[in-house]
Amino acid sequence: DIQMTQSPSSLSASVGDRVTITCRASQSISSYLNWYQQKPGKAPSLLIYKASGLQSGVPSRFSGSGSGTDFTLTISSLQPEDFAAYYCQQAGSTPWTFGQGTKVEIK
Amino acid sequence: EVQLVESGGGLVQPGRSLRLSCIASGFTLGDYTLSWIRQAPGEGLEWVGFIRTKAQGGITEYAASVKDRFIFSRDDSKNIAYLQMNSLKTEDSAVYFCTRDGTRSGDLDNWGQGTLVTVSS
Repeated sequence: DIQMTQSPSSLSASVGDRVTITCRASQSISSYLNWYQQKPGKAPSLLIYKASGLQSGVPSRFSGSGSGTDFTLTISSLQPEDFAAYYCQQAGSTPWTFGQGTKVEIK
Repeated sequence: EVQLVESGGGLVQPGRSLRLSCIASGFTLGDYTLSWIRQAPGEGLEWVGFIRTKAQGGITEYAASVKDRFIFSRDDSKNIAYLQMNSLKTEDSAVYFCTRDGTRSGDLDNWGQGTLVTVSS
């Protein structure tokens, strides 16, 4: 199985900060990497597909990059509604696997 | 508007069975792969598996932790998908989400609200 390692597991940031979350796959997954946001008590929602594609309706302050084994989710200017948990997911091969999550908290 | 609504969760004893339903609206269920994802309380997301479209042979794949106990099915004429869970274990306790595959990169572009399954004696 492909292991997905996300870092950091949590971070504290202020509104307006630039935030970067990384995800590393244990083997190459090409660009089959997706990012999700989950707010407490809610279902996750898709932010980024295929490493860098912005899902319809998602603000442009979210961006993704990377290929192979190393990927990054960037929030260019953190907004109050962005405080949430973020997960990466690989679909390069089954079983699809998720990173353990990154919780973004208010500083 | 695309919607997925799960139902059928609840409290069940270990070793028993439970069937979850996922009703789709706002799109043609038969055109999409459906995946099931679960999340234990306070934990991260775990892929349970998926069922491909009939055009793709209705292929199913399962996580090792549920293989031979869980069964996916779909009734595209009714826009409903099912997750039959047998021989339930306490570690199956979680919120179960049905999700639609966005077809680009195994991305899950729409999620239901989830249904809670608690396995306990």
